Amino acid sequence: ETGVTQTPRHLVMGMTNKKSLKCEQHLGHNAMYWYKQSAKKPLELMFVYSLEERVENNSVPSRFSPECPNSSHLFLHLHTLQPEDSALYLCASSPLGGSGYEQYFGPGTRLTVT
Amino acid sequence: EDQVTQSPEALRLQEGESSSLNCSYTVSGLRGLFWYRQDPGKGPEFLFTLYSAGEEKEKERLKATLTKKESFLHITAPKPEDSATYLCAVQASTDKLIFGTGTRLQVFP
Repeated sequence: ETGVTQTPRHLVMGMTNKKSLKCEQHLGHNAMYWYKQSAKKPLELMFVYSLEERVENNSVPSRFSPECPNSSHLFLHLHTLQPEDSALYLCASSPLGGSGYEQYFGPGTRLTVT
Repeated sequence: EDQVTQSPEALRLQEGESSSLNCSYTVSGLRGLFWYRQDPGKGPEFLFTLYSAGEEKEKERLKATLTKKESFLHITAPKPEDSATYLCAVQASTDKLIFGTGTRLQVFP
């Protein structure tokens, strides 16, 4: 595996379900990110982890819960979601958090909440 | 407030017809401007980073330029495989990446 991988690629869940999204980066990077991409809207930064510590939490509802057990893995735990949470969830990594470093993205998980 | 505006929202070109995409920004303390390409159903693919006004970078048919207020992505003699959404993002003094809504480019044979 190379680059940034995400599983599952597609997920349909009911509003009462609990599920988790997984991201893995094979680039030796030390910072990882979760973004939400909705139609006609810019990418929205949700969470940032640098050296496995959460450094950014962009006023995201508590029904989204991130976890970063090590610098290669990132999870997004989902529970009691709303239909408006349906979107493409993208994971990214960069060499370090901070300025000037380009971020590399995974293919995303297309989430549909019914 | 930091902002990024991309134009046009959509662009249709004939194969070989050169054009430019625009990314205007207002940020406090630009640390970097990034261009990405995104194909349908996929994550954004990194293209270029520009750090200071006057800087230019090229890759195949793409050339990115930067001024103090905007960046252009010039596409020379595009091919159908260049069809994608092109995203611009800026990194300001807060270190966060702020994305525009993108330009959807379609190149017809």
